[in-house]
Amino acid sequence: ETGVTQTPRHLVMGMTNKKSLKCEQHLGHNAMYWYKQSAKKPLELMFVYNFKEQTENNSVPSRFSPECPNSSHLFLHLHTLQPEDSALYLCASSQAQTETQYFGPGTRLLVL
Amino acid sequence: GQNIDQPTEMTATEGAIVQINCTYQTSGFNGLFWYQQHAGEAPTFLSYNVLDGLEEKGRFSSFLSRSKGYSYLLLKELQMKDSASYLCAVRSLMDSNYQLIWGAGTKLIIKP
Repeated sequence: ETGVTQTPRHLVMGMTNKKSLKCEQHLGHNAMYWYKQSAKKPLELMFVYNFKEQTENNSVPSRFSPECPNSSHLFLHLHTLQPEDSALYLCASSQAQTETQYFGPGTRLLVL
Repeated sequence: GQNIDQPTEMTATEGAIVQINCTYQTSGFNGLFWYQQHAGEAPTFLSYNVLDGLEEKGRFSSFLSRSKGYSYLLLKELQMKDSASYLCAVRSLMDSNYQLIWGAGTKLIIKP
């Protein structure tokens, strides 16, 4: 595959479950991002990793836990989520934080 | 504060021309991006403007006026496949960090 891939594409989970979202980029980029997209709202930046180091955490609740084992992979670990966390979670990557971001197709999350 | 405004929804006719406006109030302006997002898919990069003026790329053009805090995306010879949301984003340099500030997107509906 090319570009930025995300799995799973759809996820339904209860508030007591633990799940993980996976993102992989095949572009040789050094920066990776997690965004939350809710209906009719701007994209919300959650986390930024640059060369595997977290450079930004936009006051995200601790029930969201990112992990970046290398420059090509990014995970978002989820636990004890709330219904208001239901949204589209998008991963993006860029060559550097100053460059254009390229997005994956997202994971549509529903928390029951 | 940082703010981006764009219309929520627009309707246009196949074969026509449509202009989607974006106004912004940000500090540390460092470029403006337009992305296209079809329902259920990843945002895809369309254009980038950092200097004033018009950038043309096939049927799509993007304009920037930094003094007015204003940009537009112009779509010509509209096709049904152009039905999508169009996201405006401003890159801002603050405290030595670059960040993208996103608008909520404009949903464009193309009618036959």
